[in-house]
Order: sequence, then structure tokens, then C-alpha cells
Amino acid sequence: NAGVTQTPKFRILKIGQSMTLQCAQDMNHNYMYWYRQDPGMGLKLIYYSVGAGITDKGEVPNGYNVSRSTTEDFPLRLELAAPSQTSVYFCATSQGAYEQYFGPGTRLTVT
Amino acid sequence: GDSVTQMEGPVTLSEEAFLTINCTYTATGYPSLFWYVQYPGEGLQLLLKATKADDKGSNKGFEATYRKETTSFHLEKGSVQVSDSAVYFCALSTNSGGSNYKLTFGKGTLLTVNP
Repeated sequence: NAGVTQTPKFRILKIGQSMTLQCAQDMNHNYMYWYRQDPGMGLKLIYYSVGAGITDKGEVPNGYNVSRSTTEDFPLRLELAAPSQTSVYFCATSQGAYEQYFGPGTRLTVT
Repeated sequence: GDSVTQMEGPVTLSEEAFLTINCTYTATGYPSLFWYVQYPGEGLQLLLKATKADDKGSNKGFEATYRKETTSFHLEKGSVQVSDSAVYFCALSTNSGGSNYKLTFGKGTLLTVNP
């Protein structure tokens, strides 16, 4: 089993460009999450999903969108990239109130 | 709202030293508590967890006890190794009135162990 996979690993965007960060899981977990990690700030929740077709905002949703059409996939869309979105993005999954399993991350730089 | 406060880093130790990283929390209800570890260039991995008061989580020589009376979940290891160098995150999870089980993280503590 691959667990949680994320693509790409690295990306450089110009201000105003758009992109989609991909996240896929083969653990059959209902819950999926997107976090961003900024230096010295821990992880902040961007969006989460409790199942296919259901998504909700986390702490820092502005500038991002998500969709969850299948159990396996939970892409994160950045529209009109800004330097403030330079960060490391982690996708995670869980099955209810148990531990979350994290992907390897996507390092995004917006210049 | 829920919050986690953990010891500011960085922490630098010599190999075989004793490690404590303090973590205290504020939460409504009865949270589950976790320690995650992040090795350089990698995602977070669960290190240990405790789901109710007085539970002790343990893994790879690390331990933490869920103390409800002091709202704490301090991480300890008796003898650290160079391979323990990483960032450690304390986190809590609550079912905040619905079906969402979100994690609230502390800011992380960078540990460096020198040979």
C-alpha cells in the first residue's frame, strides 16, 4: 500500500498563476485534510472532508478551494497564487477520531 | 477554542541525555492527545498517543502520560540518539460537536542530538 501520496513534490509559481496540488490515499479512510506548514508556526488546517462530496473550511481557507468526488482523492486548488501562499502543504487522512496519516508534502514557492 | 502550547525550541542535547519536551493543552470535553515526529524533508509520523486520562503512550523509547489534572502530555525519553534529531509536535483531537475530528497542533520543537 502506498498510503498517502502527494504530487508534485516541489513547485515554483509566479504571482497570479493557478495550480492544483494532488492528494491520493489507498487506506479507505473517510476523513481527509489539507494543512500548510510555515516555519515556526506548526500546521494550520486549510480544508477538510469527512467523505466524498462533503468538504468544509479549516482555519486558513482563503485563497484555496477543494473538491472530494471520490474517497481516494482530495485535490487542493490555488487560484491567483500570492507570495503569502509560499509554504509546505501536507495532506492527511484518518478514520474517525484516530491518528492522522500524512503524505510527504509539497513545497510551494510563489515569486 | 482548543489550543496546544509546547516548549519552545530549539533543544540541543548530547547523545544518551535525558529528554523532556513539555506540552500543555486547553480543550473542551475529553480530547485524545498525540505526539508526532517530523524528520528532515519528510511528513509527520505518529510517535505515540493517549486517548483518556492517565493513559501512557509509548513507542521507540519515548513516553508521555495523559495528565488531566494538569492538562499536560509531556514527552520523555531516557537516552536520546542522534537519529532522534527531528521536530516534535504535540497535538490534540476532539469531536467538536459534529463529525469532524480535527487535530490542533502545537508549534513544534526542534530537537538536535549531537554525538
